[in-house]
Amino acid sequence: QQPVQSPQAVILREGEDAVINCSSSKALYSVHWYRQKHGEAPVFLMILLKGGEQKGHEKISASFNEKKQQSSLYLTASQLSYSGTYFCGLIQGGSEKLVFGKGTKLTVNP
Amino acid sequence: DGGITQSPKYLFRKEGQNVTLSCEQNLNHDAMYWYRQDPGQGLRLIYYSQIVNDFQKGDIAEGYSVSREKKESFPLTVTSAQKNPTAFYLCASSRRQGGDSYEQYFGPGTRLTVT
Repeated sequence: QQPVQSPQAVILREGEDAVINCSSSKALYSVHWYRQKHGEAPVFLMILLKGGEQKGHEKISASFNEKKQQSSLYLTASQLSYSGTYFCGLIQGGSEKLVFGKGTKLTVNP
Repeated sequence: DGGITQSPKYLFRKEGQNVTLSCEQNLNHDAMYWYRQDPGQGLRLIYYSQIVNDFQKGDIAEGYSVSREKKESFPLTVTSAQKNPTAFYLCASSRRQGGDSYEQYFGPGTRLTVT
């Protein structure tokens, strides 16, 4: 089942913070976060694993609440380069497939 | 440089024709994936493959076919049976799948237009 992301869109001024949420109706094994700029390929941001392990390439923080079956991505002191669409992808218990949400469009203005 | 290549970037076809999208990776990854992206829909999984000569259907496999004869290559054929083939197609790969979770690396995509 497709995870639900919220909000669908958010507009920020440079330097402001944002939180993007991703929730599932099934037990989660891991959560992936990707960012896609218009017309480009998605780029990996972070993986959060059951048990608390995190793997990521950028200075972006995220949380993974196994009990609530949800994850949140925290973007602090946003920069213009943060603009894009953020996708969460879930590997749910009993499946080996990564299922993506519909995305959250983030716009950072000067 | 290691990465994933998809060709062509733009593809135009007439309705009723089959078309094959290319995907090649030199990352030595075991797993490869095909996604379809439509506006507002996110990425939807068409097919995936964990090893050579083996692949599984994703969530929207109808009207598509794939092959995995080499580790580096995972071509996708959009057949005439696919009712609405116009979309952005993304190929991805990862170290492996199933039991562990590894990041996926995406190619630049192919935008297919069928008229």
